[in-house]
Amino acid sequence: DARVTQTPRHKVTEMGQEVTMRCQPILGHNTVFWYRQTMMQGLELLAYFRNRAPLDDSGMPKDRFSAEMPDATLATLKIQPSEPRDSAVYFCASGLNLINTEAFFGQGTRLTVV
Amino acid sequence: AQSVTQLGSHVSVSEGALVLLRCNYSSSVPPYLFWYVQYPNQGLQLLLKYTTGATLVKGINGFEAEFKKSETSFHLTKPSAHMSDAAEYFCAVSEASGTYKYIFGTGTRLKVLA
Repeated sequence: DARVTQTPRHKVTEMGQEVTMRCQPILGHNTVFWYRQTMMQGLELLAYFRNRAPLDDSGMPKDRFSAEMPDATLATLKIQPSEPRDSAVYFCASGLNLINTEAFFGQGTRLTVV
Repeated sequence: AQSVTQLGSHVSVSEGALVLLRCNYSSSVPPYLFWYVQYPNQGLQLLLKYTTGATLVKGINGFEAEFKKSETSFHLTKPSAHMSDAAEYFCAVSEASGTYKYIFGTGTRLKVLA
């Protein structure tokens, strides 16, 4: 059963600490999205990659956030330093040529920064 | 740039009643349109999608949606609500050009009353 795997599922950290979230896209998918979900803002697109190349990260605060795809089986989202306002659920989604096909979502990483 | 507006952040219906969740989009080029559902503590899963062809599309769990270009709408309906339909529903748009961003609306939380 192919699925997008995100780790960790939950993370509690102190303000100022570095946080790394990982995503394993479905094998063969060439497009990966990172979204942030909060009650106030809903689902915000942070960044997305096609064939491991970043296509758009305009939704991501550049001073503290970074997203990479070191290889086709791993996408990472890093926050350094973390702040309480970063508390949210972060979703990774993958798909194949995500123009008109389905995006498959992971179960998310719930981040709490205290 | 494309955008999605979902009218009504919360909708309540009685079990067995019609479900109508509204979605309007803005896009400078022909859009691809999607409805996703999110159950508590889960990622999003696809309900249905419109790409080309028939404007009335059917999805899982008895849901359907109609693409109306003249009204720039893609409302989601289900003839008879079931308790298990209680969830949050997201409309999304992807443009058939440019960077193919996949943008979500703010979501509508559906409550089904017994």
